[in-house]
Amino acid sequence: TQLLEQSPQFLSIQEGENLTVYCNSSSVFSSLQWYRQEPGEGPVLLVTVVTGGEVKKLKRLTFQFGDARKDSSLHITAAQPGDTGLYLCAGDFYGQNFVFGPGTRLSVLP
Amino acid sequence: DTGVSQDPRHKITKRGQNVTFRCDPISEHNRLYWYRQTLGQGPEFLTYFQNEAQLEKSRLLSDRFSAERPKGSFSTLEIQRTEQGDSAMYLCASSGQGATYGYTFGSGTRLTVV
Repeated sequence: TQLLEQSPQFLSIQEGENLTVYCNSSSVFSSLQWYRQEPGEGPVLLVTVVTGGEVKKLKRLTFQFGDARKDSSLHITAAQPGDTGLYLCAGDFYGQNFVFGPGTRLSVLP
Repeated sequence: DTGVSQDPRHKITKRGQNVTFRCDPISEHNRLYWYRQTLGQGPEFLTYFQNEAQLEKSRLLSDRFSAERPKGSFSTLEIQRTEQGDSAMYLCASSGQGATYGYTFGSGTRLTVV
């Protein structure tokens, strides 16, 4: 069974600070996605990464896929209260569906 | 297209009762997924359809659970003889085909078994 780990589990920061959250596995992903989920709603896709070493930027969010395709990171610059939520990574281990990690719960305080 | 719709949003049922949830995916998406999410956890895969064919089922999907997608459009998930451990958010997602297609999730059905 493939297992995805995310760290930290919880993160509380002040508005304007930078942060990085991590997603790791002992298995190789064929692709990896990051989602953000708000309470009572379904996850919303942020990005898909496919190529080892790939870096994608989405405004203040930077996503990196590890060279070995076993890990990924999400960096947020100048966090805002609107960034608050549960950040989930999901890996495709060459199967038909994505396996989700437990998430990092981010709270950005004004 | 209004995205993925799930109905109902909330369901409270007594232990032992049967419940059925519905999911309407994005019309051009041929893949449909059911996931379950409990508090503080990420979504756990339950089952997956490509068009009307159910191609994969998780071991989490006990005999009390059944899912259908009769015409390759909407899907239903039924839980028979509900147990308190079935209390969770049930999420439906749809996608196109290919490694770069992300899931579009619905808002989920929150099930509480009392």
